[in-house]
This record gives sequence, structure tokens and C-alpha cells, in this order.
Amino acid sequence: DQQVKQNSPSLSVQEGRISILNCDYTNSMFDYFLWYKKYPAEGPTFLISISSIKDKNEDGRFTVFLNKSAKHLSLHIVPSQPGDSAVYFCAASENPGAQKLVFGQGTRLTINP
Amino acid sequence: EAQVTQNPRYLITVTGKKLTVTCSQNMNHEYMSWYRQDPGLGLRQIYYSMNVEVTDKGDVPEGYKVSRKEKRNFPLILESPSPNQTSLYFCASKGTFSTEAFFGQGTRLTVV
Repeated sequence: DQQVKQNSPSLSVQEGRISILNCDYTNSMFDYFLWYKKYPAEGPTFLISISSIKDKNEDGRFTVFLNKSAKHLSLHIVPSQPGDSAVYFCAASENPGAQKLVFGQGTRLTINP
Repeated sequence: EAQVTQNPRYLITVTGKKLTVTCSQNMNHEYMSWYRQDPGLGLRQIYYSMNVEVTDKGDVPEGYKVSRKEKRNFPLILESPSPNQTSLYFCASKGTFSTEAFFGQGTRLTVV
């Protein structure tokens, strides 16, 4: 039973445009959400997070939006750059210090020049 | 440099031959964890440890063992590997009150 779902295995976006990656979850106990970025042959690296008490968190070109009623979050990258090409994982936990992160399947983002 | 180091990076082994994948972190983190990544399934937690001598099962612990005798090390042990344990494995660590986990570079294991 996949508690965190990323339904788009891949996404292709033109350089300079907006990239929107989506994530849905089913567990209403999830309270903290994160996005990780993964390049080939490397481990995932933390990108941005959001607590359930917020609906938006911004860090430079990256913004995460949370819609708790829909159990949906999205990552916006504006403007998209070639270096953003990677696999993006959405993850959720039941509290900020939780020992358990539940990950989605990942979305492969390709930025075309 | 703060890092999580896994060894080996690549390993091909035969069914039933015991193996250990090592993981070491230099950030004095209390928490460490092992994940496996499989196509279409994302990362799934195998085991985690909240501190020395404290370990617990994650979502997919069957066929794996761990130990935490020192704070910096968290080895993953496969006593009798099987082909369904062919996967990409990641070790991670974080501070107790932090959500952001730091990951190692991964170990690609093939069991034939």
C-alpha cells in the first residue's frame, strides 16, 4: 500500500519554464513533508520541506505547496535550469523529528535546453 | 566535510553468501537508517536506529540484520542473500530533532 504517490514517472520541461512535480498521500497522520533530489550515482539530497501548519514554503527558485484537505503537495521550480534534471522524491513523516520517512516512487525531471 | 560513507559501492554476490555493507557518518548523528530503492517503489526503509544499541524494523526488514555498537557506524548484514535482495541500498543519518536526513552515495547489490 503506497502511502505516498508520485503518479508521474517522468516530466520534460523547457529550460526557463516552470516545472511542477506532484505528490499525493493517503495517511492523514503525516505532518511534515520533504522533497529530495537525486542525481545518478549519488544519494538523495534534501531540497525543501513544509510543515502541515503552512500551505507554502519558498526557497529561491523552489516552492512547495501543500493542500491538506486534498492530501496533495507540489514542488514548483521557476525558472527551470538544465542542472535541475534529476529524480525528485516526495517524502512524508508524522512529525518533524520522526524516525520514519515514507517516500514516493520518484519523478524523473528532464530540462531541455 | 560532513558525509555518510557506504562501502562497497558495487557488489555482485551469489545466493546464500553472507555479506555486510558498511555505513559510517561523521556528523555525530544519533539516528541512522537503511533504505532500499527499487524501480516503481521509491525508497523503502529496512531498519533504523535511534542511538547506540537501539534498533528497530522499518517497512521491509525481512532478510536483513543491523547492529549499532558505535554511534558513527550502522552496518547492514545479509546473512543469506537471495536474488530478490538485488537492489540499490542507501544509508542515511540525521540529528534526533531534525527531519532532514543525509544520505550516502548508495550500494548497488546484485545477488545471482
